[in-house]
Amino acid sequence: DSGVTQTPKHLITATGQRVTLRCSPRSGDLSVYWYQQSLDQGLQFLIQYYNGEERAKGNILERFSAQQFPDLHSELNLSSLELGDSALYFCASSAPGGGDTQYFGPGTRLTVL
Amino acid sequence: TQLLEQSPQFLSIQEGENLTVYCNSSSVFSSLQWYRQEPGEGPVLLVTVVTGGEVKKLKRLTFQFGDARKDSSLHITAAQPGDTGLYLCAGDFFDSNYQLIWGAGTKLIIKP
Repeated sequence: DSGVTQTPKHLITATGQRVTLRCSPRSGDLSVYWYQQSLDQGLQFLIQYYNGEERAKGNILERFSAQQFPDLHSELNLSSLELGDSALYFCASSAPGGGDTQYFGPGTRLTVL
Repeated sequence: TQLLEQSPQFLSIQEGENLTVYCNSSSVFSSLQWYRQEPGEGPVLLVTVVTGGEVKKLKRLTFQFGDARKDSSLHITAAQPGDTGLYLCAGDFFDSNYQLIWGAGTKLIIKP
């Protein structure tokens, strides 16, 4: 158990819909990272937050947005969903400093039908 | 643009064989991490190497960081089915902010 929690574990929805994925980092970690992993592929970095503020942006689509709240949990919002958005979405957290070891949550498997 | 290339992309071998997978870049990293990911789960950190030329051993796994801190290798001795998974390397590159660069991974299958 990494100490990072993600909900829900599975999500099935239809094209055009909007979903919210939730992540709670390890206690004391200030950084939260979001990744997308499609079938049999590596991790695609989406976005990083540090103590409530956006720190780095990767290949995140305009239809996707994220935020980190004062209690440090984070949400990833995916809208106007397309079939190609079906993937595993991972959240990771790291200790203050931003570049340290990342601890991954169990992921949310999103299926868009 | 910093890039981490992992090779091979896919490797399937018999139990008991030895193997080496590689992680290469043209950039210098302050540290490099190796993760293993099992199907349906998040990556789990195996080791972090920091010093050029450093060698770390984790049971049957040997990790080496290149002298110039641009490349790394993971060697597995007497592979077992439990070693099956996706092996990811990630380099810590300091620019204006710390930035972890991820390789695409090596998918390893150990057949009993």
